Amino acid sequence: VQLVESGGGLVKPGRSLRLSCAASGFNFDDFAMHWVRQAPGKGLEWVSGISWDSIIVDYADSVKGRFTISRDNAKNSLYLQMNSLRAEDTAFYYCARDRSLFDNWGQGTLVTVSS
Amino acid sequence: QFVLTQSPSASASLGASVKLTCTLSSGHSTYAIAWHQQQPEKGPRYLMFVNSDGTHKKGDGIPDRFSGSSSGAERYLTISSLQSEDEADYYCQTWGTGIQRVFGGGTKLTVL
Repeated sequence: VQLVESGGGLVKPGRSLRLSCAASGFNFDDFAMHWVRQAPGKGLEWVSGISWDSIIVDYADSVKGRFTISRDNAKNSLYLQMNSLRAEDTAFYYCARDRSLFDNWGQGTLVTVSS
Repeated sequence: QFVLTQSPSASASLGASVKLTCTLSSGHSTYAIAWHQQQPEKGPRYLMFVNSDGTHKKGDGIPDRFSGSSSGAERYLTISSLQSEDEADYYCQTWGTGIQRVFGGGTKLTVL
């Protein structure tokens, strides 16, 4: 099982960024997937989750209305579209596989929101 | 709102044992949890799933020194024969509403 995030970087407040998570080593469309973030020096915060068939999606209140999770099972990929970014969105972003609870994590991608 | 409570810090000596606690909020005492380890400057790693009856299922490659147990609303992670590489942050996780997931605040373990 391998999860590899990409797409992080430095972005100005109010701008957008799209994160990707490439999955391999398992049947991607058998599992729900999630994004979790960790601000500098802070704990883990669940951001968003999506069911295997994309029918069920949900978001933390802190990102609702600004972030959109999606997946492409044909490409074994998970995405997080982040709009209207704020300084407080600065964090490492991890994708995680959900086997009821998380049983595999990516290595993370850093998003820095700063002018 | 589901809440998982963890002590912010714990410490134990090299070669000793330590027991970390994750407490489920009222009304959710039957929930299972997962334990995750995050070593310094690394991403999280899944350790194990702990049921309300104390049974646990570890992830691939997790040493036998790591074990899980339960009592009431408390879920435990015990690490025996502590090694320097066990110095890390430990997070518990459970289900929220629907597809939401919830994390405890984490325990920073120091190996003396």
